[in-house]
Amino acid sequence: GAVVSQHPSRVICKSGTSVKIECRSLDFQATTMFWYRQFPKQSLMLMATSNEGSKATYEQGVEKDKFLINHASLTLSTLTVTSAHPEDSSFYICSARVIGGGEETQYFGPGTRLLVL
Amino acid sequence: RKEVEQDPGPFNVPEGATVAFNCTYSNSASQSFFWYRQDCRKEPKLLMSVYSSGNEDGRFTAQLNRASQYISLLIRDSKLSDSATYLCVVIPTSGTYKYIFGTGTRLKVLA
Repeated sequence: GAVVSQHPSRVICKSGTSVKIECRSLDFQATTMFWYRQFPKQSLMLMATSNEGSKATYEQGVEKDKFLINHASLTLSTLTVTSAHPEDSSFYICSARVIGGGEETQYFGPGTRLLVL
Repeated sequence: RKEVEQDPGPFNVPEGATVAFNCTYSNSASQSFFWYRQDCRKEPKLLMSVYSSGNEDGRFTAQLNRASQYISLLIRDSKLSDSATYLCVVIPTSGTYKYIFGTGTRLKVLA
């Protein structure tokens, strides 16, 4: 299947700092990528849809000024958590939309575990 | 009512057992359905799509019941390696490709 990478895999930072997470599609181009957040024992919650060359679409309740998304190329989307606080500690996962054979699916990156102290 | 609901489990079953999970969805216009598998502290991985006529992949069988608005996953001859959380995913309406995830059902296959 398609391969999606994320970097870093885990990060620990102090409260108030900004953290950038990269999501790359390694062997295909992805015009659409998605950013999810998963708290312990909870489901993946869609935060935003990242479209190459245009502004991201944020889900209700997600602050666009706090979670900055940039999808500058067909293989890279970045999520920046600005002024991170302990409540932002979570598992952040990106996915890339893949269309082929009349079907579409999403392939997920390995996730980034963020801990804000 | 949640858009997608699953019994969180855990389902503890012996090796070789058959186990089934259900997932209910609230939007009758939902178009596409999937089962994903998520191992602890890892990303979800696609297990199988769910087709209207039902589909099978080895030991795994997926069914869709539109009238009752649920999908099911049946695992036969459970292996220890099947231990994971199984996530139900629904795309609620046509023209959108947003995934709505269930909270997952945790399966433990015991030796």
